Amino acid sequence: QKEVEQNSGPLSVPEGAIASLNCTYSDRGSQSFFWYRQYSGKSPELIMFIYSNGDKEDGRFTAQLNKASQYVSLLIRDSQPSDSATYLCAVNPPGGATNKLIFGTGTLLAVQP
Amino acid sequence: DADVTQTPRNRITKTGKRIMLECSQTKGHDRMYWYRQDPGLGLRLIYYSFDVKDINKGEISDGYSVSRQAQAKFSLSLESAIPNQTALYFCATSDVGRDYGYTFGSGTRLTVV
Repeated sequence: QKEVEQNSGPLSVPEGAIASLNCTYSDRGSQSFFWYRQYSGKSPELIMFIYSNGDKEDGRFTAQLNKASQYVSLLIRDSQPSDSATYLCAVNPPGGATNKLIFGTGTLLAVQP
Repeated sequence: DADVTQTPRNRITKTGKRIMLECSQTKGHDRMYWYRQDPGLGLRLIYYSFDVKDINKGEISDGYSVSRQAQAKFSLSLESAIPNQTALYFCATSDVGRDYGYTFGSGTRLTVV
């Protein structure tokens, strides 16, 4: 079992819809969780992080964490074509401040105009 | 100027050649990382350094070496390049603590022929 798993996609949604991206992780003691957006050929850029169970909202983005079920998700409301990218989930493993992130392989999101 | 600068941006080299990828940062972070990204495999950690005197191997360090010349500089070397080292290489930095994700450089696309 991979440590961090994501569906590779592509996930196709129409413009204006909600895109839901999911990630599961294997190490129950993982401390914090990050979502990155990566455009083709570019470097990943941090969108959000979350470390407490529940929801965390930032503009059109909402991160959701469920430690009991070991999954973290990212919702993108009012999806725009400019949101089309690969979204990487990253997990900070047990040990807290190690900052040695483990990345999933990413989900490709395609927002159709 | 970018917070994390990688040079070169693109490089084609021949099998058996030694090559160095350079990374410098103005973030003031102690922690620096080298990852490679391959299609379908995601980002994998090569080496990481938590300060100038602390250098550690990641999950795929074979065939690579690093040098931390200063807090701001972290170089990755391929001693004798081989074709399966063809990949997109990213340098990243982070602050200390579970809430801090990475700031990535713009990447180096390396092709070994």
